[in-house]
Amino acid sequence: EVQVVESGGGLVQPGGSLRLSCAASGFSSSIYCMSWVRQAPGKGLEWVASIKQSAGESHFVDSVKGRFSISSDNAKNSVHLQMSSLRAEDTAVYYCARRGGADGWGSFDIWGQGTVVTVSS
Amino acid sequence: EIVLTQSPATLSLSPGERATLSCRASQSIGTYLAWYQQKPGQAPRLLIFDASNRATGIPARFSGSGSGTDFTLTISSLGPEDSAVYYCQQRSNWPLTFGGGTKVEIK
Repeated sequence: EVQVVESGGGLVQPGGSLRLSCAASGFSSSIYCMSWVRQAPGKGLEWVASIKQSAGESHFVDSVKGRFSISSDNAKNSVHLQMSSLRAEDTAVYYCARRGGADGWGSFDIWGQGTVVTVSS
Repeated sequence: EIVLTQSPATLSLSPGERATLSCRASQSIGTYLAWYQQKPGQAPRLLIFDASNRATGIPARFSGSGSGTDFTLTISSLGPEDSAVYYCQQRSNWPLTFGGGTKVEIK
């Protein structure tokens, strides 16, 4: 079965760090653009970051540039989002999602169930 | 950044009625537009990709149209299970962006 499963969410103080993981199964995450999309409580969807290892590309929304990094682990078929200097406004459900299509740059066709990140003192 | 504006914010219709949801882009995005459905407590689900293509397993009552800056998602005959928030999303340019969503309520 093609799926992704997120882990690593939790409660962190402002200024702290957290590492989210996304384990893929049923496909090779390195040839697709793997992304993180977040949803603040009661709000809409916001794309955060993407990586396509086979293309050597990664991209970030401006609000997280310099604070978040994204990496891919071929051996574990997984993707990680390293978040630092966390702010209250980073509080959200973080979804891992695959961009599908023949070239791996398509729409988000596979989504995980999300992991909750709460930034609060 | 490409801004996607969805309208209306809320749509309240009866079962069997036709729902028409709009998404307008701040600049031309060709047909690089997708629609997602999200129910409370669930992850989004891809309905339509590249403006008019139904994703795997999506019922034929869902259809998408448009190109350039104006796009439409149509649900031909609403069922109770269609109560959800619907988002459009563009993949033409970085950053990827989503519209603010349209909430569909079934009377």
